[in-house]
Amino acid sequence: QVQLVQSGAEVKKPGSSVKVSCKASGDTFSSYTFNWVRQAPGQGLEWMGRFIPVLGTAKYAQKFQGRVTITADESTNTAYMELSSLRSEDTAFYYCASHHSTWSSSLDNWGQGTLVTVSS
Amino acid sequence: DIVMTQSPLSLPVTPGEPASISCRSSQSLLNSNGLHFLDWYLQKPGQSPLLLISLGSNRASGVPDRFSGSGSGTNFTLKISRVEAEDVGVYYCMQALQTPRTFGGGTKVEMK
Repeated sequence: QVQLVQSGAEVKKPGSSVKVSCKASGDTFSSYTFNWVRQAPGQGLEWMGRFIPVLGTAKYAQKFQGRVTITADESTNTAYMELSSLRSEDTAFYYCASHHSTWSSSLDNWGQGTLVTVSS
Repeated sequence: DIVMTQSPLSLPVTPGEPASISCRSSQSLLNSNGLHFLDWYLQKPGQSPLLLISLGSNRASGVPDRFSGSGSGTNFTLKISRVEAEDVGVYYCMQALQTPRTFGGGTKVEMK
C-alpha cells in the first residue's frame, strides 16, 4: 500500500491556475492509479479524473474536461492535479486517492487533502 | 454516467444499536466476472475519506467486523451491527465499475 502526502493549502485569484501535488511512498509508484476527488465546503465527494503512470494515460470527468490536467512524475513518485481558469466555485478540498492498477478499483489510499481557496 | 442515490440523508443512531444505509445505482454494477463494483467510504469529521467496503461486501484491511456490505445489481446496503461512538461521520457509496467514478450524496450518521 502507498502512503500519500499532498502539498499545502493554496489561495488563488479567479482566472488563475493551481497545481496540487501528491507524493507517494511505500510501494512501487508505477503500479498505482492516481485519482483526484474534490469536496466543496459542506458538500459531497466529486471525482475529477485519474492518471495511470504505467500507461501514461489520463481520464477526466466531463465537467472538468479542458480545465484539469492530471500528470505524474515517476522520478519523484509524485502525482499532480492542475486546475485552470479558477472561479469561486472551485473553492474546495482536493484529495489524491490511489489504488493498485491491477488488483483494485477502489480508492484504497487517500492523501490528507489540500484546501484551495479562490478569492479576489 | 451512473447516478448513485443514498438514503437516508441523515441517520441518528443509539450506541449499541444497529444501523443501515441504502445505496441505489442507475444501472447494474455487476461486471462480467460476477463482481459488484460498489464501495463504501466513511469520512469522519475533519478527516479524509477512508475505504470501508469494496466489491459490495469485502471489508477493507483493519475495518471492524461490525461493518458489513450486501446487495446486488442496483441495490446495496451497508450495515453496522452495533454502532459505536467512533462510527459518526458521513458515509458514501461509490460505483467503481466505470469512469467517471460517481458517489452517492452521503449519509450523515450522528449520535442521538
